[in-house]
Amino acid sequence: AQSVTQLGSHVSVSEGALVLLRCNYSSSVPPYLFWYVQYPNQGLQLLLKYTSAATLVKGINGFEAEFKKSETSFHLTKPSAHMSDAAEYFCAVTSNTGNQFYFGTGTSLTVIP
Amino acid sequence: EAGVAQSPRYKIIEKRQSVAFWCNPISGHATLYWYQQILGQGPKLLIQFQNNGVVDDSQLPKDRFSAERLKGVDSTLKIQPAKLEDSAVYLCASSFTLAGGTDTQYFGPGTRLTVL
Repeated sequence: AQSVTQLGSHVSVSEGALVLLRCNYSSSVPPYLFWYVQYPNQGLQLLLKYTSAATLVKGINGFEAEFKKSETSFHLTKPSAHMSDAAEYFCAVTSNTGNQFYFGTGTSLTVIP
Repeated sequence: EAGVAQSPRYKIIEKRQSVAFWCNPISGHATLYWYQQILGQGPKLLIQFQNNGVVDDSQLPKDRFSAERLKGVDSTLKIQPAKLEDSAVYLCASSFTLAGGTDTQYFGPGTRLTVL
């Protein structure tokens, strides 16, 4: 069975500051991990995904995440926050079979001007 | 390329009524997913289709929810009868491959259901 835990349901950062959104996973098999972003009244959009290749994954809009097996983590970072980054962010996990796709509860990011 | 289409965008019904949602995935995508997203929570997978076959429906409340994808293209999710706790956004997503967890899921805008 797989699951993800997102620490911090709300995160606020100043514009230009580092963004760090935390995700820890639990999986009995090698996991595939994803970060999705959801803007108000819209569907989810993929930011990046880890599929057992490079542990540092670069995504769209300047985001990246690092898979750390020893810490069972897949935290999302961005060096400099922009106002347009304000949204809900979801971490998700699945296995190589593609079944049992699980999302975390989400982290709402607020960017303060 | 057209995205995942869903209709209606909003629906308000009274409890014990029936409701149906429609989804048209991206052309050529074999896999289709229905998710339920309750306010303040992450999406929960209800059912996953590969072509017209069900891959996973372990979290679908089968006493009241049903879904079909008869021709392996568009899909319908039905709730009958609806309960107050069914108020949520219902998201449809699709992906290209027949199997494997690495493929990107593309999401539609969702249908917001309010049960009074």
